[in-house]
Amino acid sequence: DVVMTQSPLSLPVTLGQPASISCRSSQSLVHSDGNTYLNWFQQRPGQSPRRLIYKVSSRDSGVPDRFSGSGSGTDFTLKISRVEAEDVGIYYCMQGTHWPPWTFGQGTKVEIK
Amino acid sequence: EVQLVESGGGLVQPGRSLRLSCAASGFTFSSYWMHWVRQAPGKGLVWVSRINSDGSSTSYADSVKGRFTISRDNAKNTLYLQMNSLRVEDTAVYYCARNKGGIDYWGQGTLVTVSS
Repeated sequence: DVVMTQSPLSLPVTLGQPASISCRSSQSLVHSDGNTYLNWFQQRPGQSPRRLIYKVSSRDSGVPDRFSGSGSGTDFTLKISRVEAEDVGIYYCMQGTHWPPWTFGQGTKVEIK
Repeated sequence: EVQLVESGGGLVQPGRSLRLSCAASGFTFSSYWMHWVRQAPGKGLVWVSRINSDGSSTSYADSVKGRFTISRDNAKNTLYLQMNSLRVEDTAVYYCARNKGGIDYWGQGTLVTVSS
C-alpha cells in the first residue's frame, strides 16, 4: 500500500500570512496514463471533506485562488497564499494512482494563532 | 448540483449487521465509480470500499474484507454498504463519495456506533 505522510500535523498561522503543507508518498504517484492522481481536501469543523485540488495542481470550481498545489513524483505541497479565518480546518492529501486501497495522509490541522 | 445523501446509520451491538444507503442526484450515477470512506471520532479519513459503474467490480480495505459488501442500484441511483459482523472499531462516520480523478464529491456522512 502507498503510505502518505503529511507535515506538519499542526499548523498555527497568522491571518493574512501564507501557509504550506507537505505530503510525501512512499512511491511515485505517476500513473501509467501519465497523470498523477494526488488530491487535496479541506475538512472544516463539523463538515464533510471538500476537494480543493486534483491531479496535483488543478483547482476545483469555486475554490479561491489563494489555494495552490504543486509537486511531482513523491513530493507534493499545498499552499495558502494568505490565510483567512474560513480556512481553519483539517487538510488531507490522498492518492488515487495505486489502488486499492486509495490512501490518505494523516491530516494537517490549520488553526489561527 | 451533485448531491449524495447517506442514511442507515445508528447504534448497533457488536456482531450485528447494518445496511447503509447513499442516494445520489445531480449527475449520471450509472457513469461513475463510487466509494465508501469512514472517519472514526477525532481521527482521519480511511478508504473502505469502491464499486465500478455497473457494479461488476468491487474492492475492499483489508479491515472490512469478508464482512462488508458494497453494491449499487443504478435504476434507483443508490449506493449501499452492507456491514456484517460489526466490531467496536467500525465505529465511525461513513461517507459515500464519487470517483472522478480519485474522489471528488462527498456526502454529509452517517454515524455508525458499534457498542454493547
